[in-house]
Formats: sequence, C-alpha cells, structure tokens
Amino acid sequence: AAGVIQSPRHLIKEKRETATLKCYPIPRHDTVYWYQQGPGQDPQFLISFYEKMQSDKGSIPDRFSAQQFSDYHSELNMSSLELGDSALYFCASKHRGGGTEAFFGQGTRLTVV
Amino acid sequence: AQSVSQHNHHVILSEAASLELGCNYSYGGTVNLFWYVQYPGQHLQLLLKYFSGDPLVKGIKGFEAEFIKSKFSFNLRKPSVQWSDTAEYFCAVGGGSQGNLIFGKGTKLSVKP
Repeated sequence: AAGVIQSPRHLIKEKRETATLKCYPIPRHDTVYWYQQGPGQDPQFLISFYEKMQSDKGSIPDRFSAQQFSDYHSELNMSSLELGDSALYFCASKHRGGGTEAFFGQGTRLTVV
Repeated sequence: AQSVSQHNHHVILSEAASLELGCNYSYGGTVNLFWYVQYPGQHLQLLLKYFSGDPLVKGIKGFEAEFIKSKFSFNLRKPSVQWSDTAEYFCAVGGGSQGNLIFGKGTKLSVKP
C-alpha cells in the first residue's frame, strides 16, 4: 500500500540558508500535518492543511511557511535556518472524518551546521 | 489546555517481563487516543488507537491499552516483552475536526536479552 512519502530523507544546510521539505500524502488523503521532533524530544505539531487551506497552526516559527498544493502534496519552507532547527520533520496525512488515524512518513532529518 | 503526560522517561526490563506504560491526558471534548512506537532512527508507527466503544483495545505486536475515562488514562500494556520491543513509545491525543495530535514526552523502553 502507498505510504506517505517525504523528501529529501536527509538534508544538511548552513545557518541562515533556506530549506524546502516535501510531503506526498497517501492518495485520497485530504489532510496533511507537519511535526518537528528535536533530538530526544517528542514530536511537536507545526501546522496542518485541509483541502489546500491551512486548518490549524501550532508552534511553527515565523521563519517557516507551508502550503498544500492542488495535488495535495505539501511543502514546508524554512528560511534563515538556525542551529536549533536541526530536527526530524515528520509529515502525516489522513482522510478527514471520524475514526481515521494519521499515517506518518519516514521523516526528513535536517541538520543545520 | 490540552496535554499528555507519560509517567516514565526510561523503562528497563528483561525479556518476558510484563510492561505497563502510563499515559494521562487532559483534553476537552471528544478524545481520540493513540500509542505510537518509534524504533531508533525510524518514523512513528501506530501501535493502537481508541476512538470509541470497547475501552480495551488491542494493537499490533501483542500490545493493548485500556481507556479509563474516569482517570483520564490510556495505559499501554504487553504481557511479555521481547528484545525487539526496544524503542520509544509515544502516547498521543487528538480530536475534533482538526485532528492534529498532541504527543507525550515519550517513554524509552530498553529490553535486556
């Protein structure tokens, strides 16, 4: 079965650079979530989209932005990267509606040096 | 405020020992509860979930959890752990139309062979 695809799997950037992370949800899933998991930390919700519109916002820094496109894939854009942005970034997708859970991608490990 | 509390940061067990990981939540409204497992360097995998109905839910790999509404708890159990269960376990709560998850801090389980 198709899963949530994230790219790239690993990314190394320097401070003050920009990064773009991509997420391709499971087909027919209309909702995408982004989470950030720092080293030894629990995943923190960043932002979510439903039907290409932002549906909820968590602890996403102003330097980050995200969007969901017409094909439902989503991109997380990160600018002015800081060392503290080094983390595992997970995307999850689900079909909105009661009784369904979100499925997580493999994550993108971002290292800022 | 919505929150999830996992009581144990690190649990060390010998193979065949029984496991119980505590999870308490604070959430207003209809609540959906989840346990995820994260093997080292891997993404989050769903172990089990509770939406409604029988408060004792069975998941994959012999895990089960019991939802006790009066105690706001959703503890994870396994009668006999294996070395391959060594991983980090996250309790999460989600609900409403948004569905984004709030994770606990995680419990690291180490099983000695």
